[in-house]
Amino acid sequence: DGGITQSPKYLFRKEGQNVTLSCEQNLNHDAMYWYRQDPGQGLRLIYYSQIVNDFQKGDIAEGYSVSREKKESFPLTVTSAQKNPTAFYLCASSGLGPGDYGYTFGSGTRLTVV
Amino acid sequence: AQSVAQPEDQVNVAEGNPLTVKCTYSVSGNPYLFWYVQYPNRGLQFLLKYITGDNLVKGSYGFEAEFNKSQTSFHLKKPSALVSDSALYFCAVRDLWTGANNLFFGTGTRLTVIP
Repeated sequence: DGGITQSPKYLFRKEGQNVTLSCEQNLNHDAMYWYRQDPGQGLRLIYYSQIVNDFQKGDIAEGYSVSREKKESFPLTVTSAQKNPTAFYLCASSGLGPGDYGYTFGSGTRLTVV
Repeated sequence: AQSVAQPEDQVNVAEGNPLTVKCTYSVSGNPYLFWYVQYPNRGLQFLLKYITGDNLVKGSYGFEAEFNKSQTSFHLKKPSALVSDSALYFCAVRDLWTGANNLFFGTGTRLTVIP
């Protein structure tokens, strides 16, 4: 089955640590996205990528980094510079063709600072 | 600029009654509009979309939405609510200007169906 996989489902981070969230898709989608979800704030875009080896900042990129070395993979690193990283993180992908209109989402990673 | 507004943070409805979750949008050109649903600790699931054509769009799980260009609205509806419909619902509009296929999401509406 085609889909998008996020791992781990739950992640705990100590103060000062960097952690990396995995996102893999086998949908052959060109574009991939990372969102942060906090209660009452909806979805906020962190980074997105439309092509391998290229990515753009979203609305809240500070304290985060990404890479896109393969079409299938778009990992997100939450760095120690992110002062309030506790949130639910969602990865999504989409095609960029004329008939590709919406996103497919992963099941999310819940990150907690301990 | 593209934007979406969901004016209600919370909607409560009795089981068996019709439900409506409201969404209004702002775009420069023709909108591509979407509804997604999120269950606790899960990703967003696609419900339905409006691209062009008939203003009444039918989607998954018996949901439908009506596109109203004059009111710039895309309200989600269901004739008879189920307890299992209780979830967080997001409206989204596609950005036609940046060319990045980015979706702009509303802040979400929590639907609670009361048995």
